[in-house]
Amino acid sequence: DAGVTQSPTHLIKTRGQHVTLRCSPISGHKSVSWYQQVLGQGPQFIFQYYEKEERGRGNFPDRFSARQFPNYSSELNVNALLLGDSALYLCASSPRAYQETQYFGPGTRLLVL
Amino acid sequence: EDQVTQSPEALRLQEGESSSLNCSYTVSGLRGLFWYRQDPGKGPEFLFTLYSAGEEKEKERLKATLTKKESFLHITAPKPEDSATYLCAALSGNTPLVFGKGTRLSVIA
Repeated sequence: DAGVTQSPTHLIKTRGQHVTLRCSPISGHKSVSWYQQVLGQGPQFIFQYYEKEERGRGNFPDRFSARQFPNYSSELNVNALLLGDSALYLCASSPRAYQETQYFGPGTRLLVL
Repeated sequence: EDQVTQSPEALRLQEGESSSLNCSYTVSGLRGLFWYRQDPGKGPEFLFTLYSAGEEKEKERLKATLTKKESFLHITAPKPEDSATYLCAALSGNTPLVFGKGTRLSVIA
């Protein structure tokens, strides 16, 4: 069975640009969560979507936004990129809302120059 | 504020030298305690979910236990392929997962 997939795997952007990251959950999973992980730290929660509705938002600026599509895939958008946005962006899926085990994708490594 | 603290930050073991990793949590109303393994540059790989104090789960050389304030990941006779960062995360109420910073484990042959 296919796990969580994310694209692209790596991305290089310059300050001020915009980026879109994509995630496809495990088949049958309806909940997708996004996390940011900087080097040496644990993942930090950004958003959670369930049945196309936002169910949670972490302590991130409004430059970060996301959405979930009818097929339960999801996009994370970041506007006006800053150097500090450089990180590994992780997507995780679970069958229902986030009150259960989440399964992570391989991540997208974003470098902002 | 919910908090998860992992110790030690890094651990170096000889192959076959058993040890334990600690995860202390301060959350209101724990609904689940999760352990993940993460290899460099990759996403976390799910290992265990623990729900209540006294619960134990095992997988190969790994055993996770849970008390009311902390969880332990015991590694018995580790091999070099067990080298990775081990992440602990806690879930409470309707709040999202809170992760610790992880323990970097190196197993030397």
